[in-house]
Amino acid sequence: SQKIEQNSEALNIQEGKTATLTCNYTNYSPAYLQWYRQDPGRGPVFLLLIRENEKEKRKERLKVTFDTTLKQSLFHITASQPADSATYLCALYRGSTLGRLYFGRGTQLTVWP
Amino acid sequence: DAGVIQSPRHEVTEMGQEVTLRCKPISGHDYLFWYRQTMMRGLELLIYFNNNVPIDDSGMPEDRFSAKMPNASFSTLKIQPSEPRDSAVYFCASSWGIRDSGGILSYNEQFFGPGTRLTVL
Repeated sequence: SQKIEQNSEALNIQEGKTATLTCNYTNYSPAYLQWYRQDPGRGPVFLLLIRENEKEKRKERLKVTFDTTLKQSLFHITASQPADSATYLCALYRGSTLGRLYFGRGTQLTVWP
Repeated sequence: DAGVIQSPRHEVTEMGQEVTLRCKPISGHDYLFWYRQTMMRGLELLIYFNNNVPIDDSGMPEDRFSAKMPNASFSTLKIQPSEPRDSAVYFCASSWGIRDSGGILSYNEQFFGPGTRLTVL
C-alpha cells in the first residue's frame, strides 16, 4: 500500500524565515502531489498541485518541488508569518481513473514573532 | 456556492446509539469522500463515491459503518451501534475531475466540509 511520511509532526520557526516541510512517499510514483492547509477546527484547504513532470510550482510566498528520483516533495513558505501557523498535509494521486488521494499525517507549523 | 455542508457540527451520544452524519457536496462535483481524523491515525479515507456509486469502501472499519448517496446532492454516514473508539472528527469532501482522453484524472482538488466532531460516551 502507499506510504506517505511527512518529515516531522511539528516545526517551529521565527517570523521572516523560510519554512521547509518534507513529504516522502514509497511504492508507487504519483501522477501528482497536492498540498493542503488545515487550521484547528476546520477542514483541509487546497493550496497547490504539482505534477510528476514538473520540478517546481510557485504561488505567492509558497513553493513546491517534486523529485521523483528521491520520491520526495518539499513545501516552502518564504517570509513566514504567524498567520502561516497551521498543519500542512501532503496528498498524492497515483494516476488512474479512480479519484482517491492518499494523505500524509501532516506537519504542524508554528511561526513565532 | 456555500461549499460542502455537513451536519451536525457536533454530536455527543452514548455507546450503543445510532449516529447519522450528513453531507451536501458542492453542486456539480462528481466525487464524494468520507474521512475520519484522529490524533493517532491522522486523516483516514473511509469510503468514496463517484456519480453516487460507491467505488472503494475498504476504509470502513467494520460492519457498524455504512454510507449511502441516494442522489448527487446528499450523502449519509451511519454508525450503528456506536462505540467510544468511534470518537473522531468526520469530514466529507467533494471534488470534480478533469480527465484526459484515456480517462486519467489530471486534476482533482478536494473541497472539505467543516467536519462533524463525534463524541461517543
